[in-house]
Amino acid sequence: DAMVIQNPRYQVTQFGKPVTLSCSQTLNHNVMYWYQQKSSQAPKLLFHYYDKDFNNEADTPDNFQSRRPNTSFCFLDIRSPGLGDAAMYLCATSRGTGQGRNEQFFGPGTRLTVL
Amino acid sequence: ELKVEQNPLFLSMQEGKNYTIYCNYSTTSDRLYWYRQDPGKSLESLFVLLSNGAVKQEGRLMASLDTKARLSTLHITAAVHDLSATYFCAVDLTSGTYKYIFGTGTRLKVLA
Repeated sequence: DAMVIQNPRYQVTQFGKPVTLSCSQTLNHNVMYWYQQKSSQAPKLLFHYYDKDFNNEADTPDNFQSRRPNTSFCFLDIRSPGLGDAAMYLCATSRGTGQGRNEQFFGPGTRLTVL
Repeated sequence: ELKVEQNPLFLSMQEGKNYTIYCNYSTTSDRLYWYRQDPGKSLESLFVLLSNGAVKQEGRLMASLDTKARLSTLHITAAVHDLSATYFCAVDLTSGTYKYIFGTGTRLKVLA
């Protein structure tokens, strides 16, 4: 089945210790997204790629970086995690079309704990 | 400012009752999506609404879209406990940015 996969599902890191979250997709979608979701809140878009074109949200902290080495993979790097970065991180994809269905498909998420 | 507002934010209802969740948005869009999220889980796509007047139904849930009023509704018929979850609407910004604006979410609890 075509899907969006995230690894790891749970990540524990120490304050200030860099961490990388990964996402892969078998849907061959053009667009990949990273969202941060804290408890009882809507997902907050951090950045997205249309193919290799990177789009950063204005309020995404510099502490967050992303890489998309190819169509299938996307990575979220948190350079110096703080306690406030503890959250669920969701990867999503979409076809990236101007017409018709363009819903997002979400991965299972990575729960990040910062000690 | 682009806004997507849902109401109510919290909904506690008895099994067997009907209720409607509302999603109001401030931008021009003719594509709207509904997602379900169970506690600790990711988002699951429920409905894709692509045009004014679109209506989709799946089981006890029915979603509709009125693009002129910038309003979508998610109607629950004869609620059951398994529908307990958080429901999000999301508006597709059809400006070529391939971004979505999520609503605030409605946390639904169906009491047995």
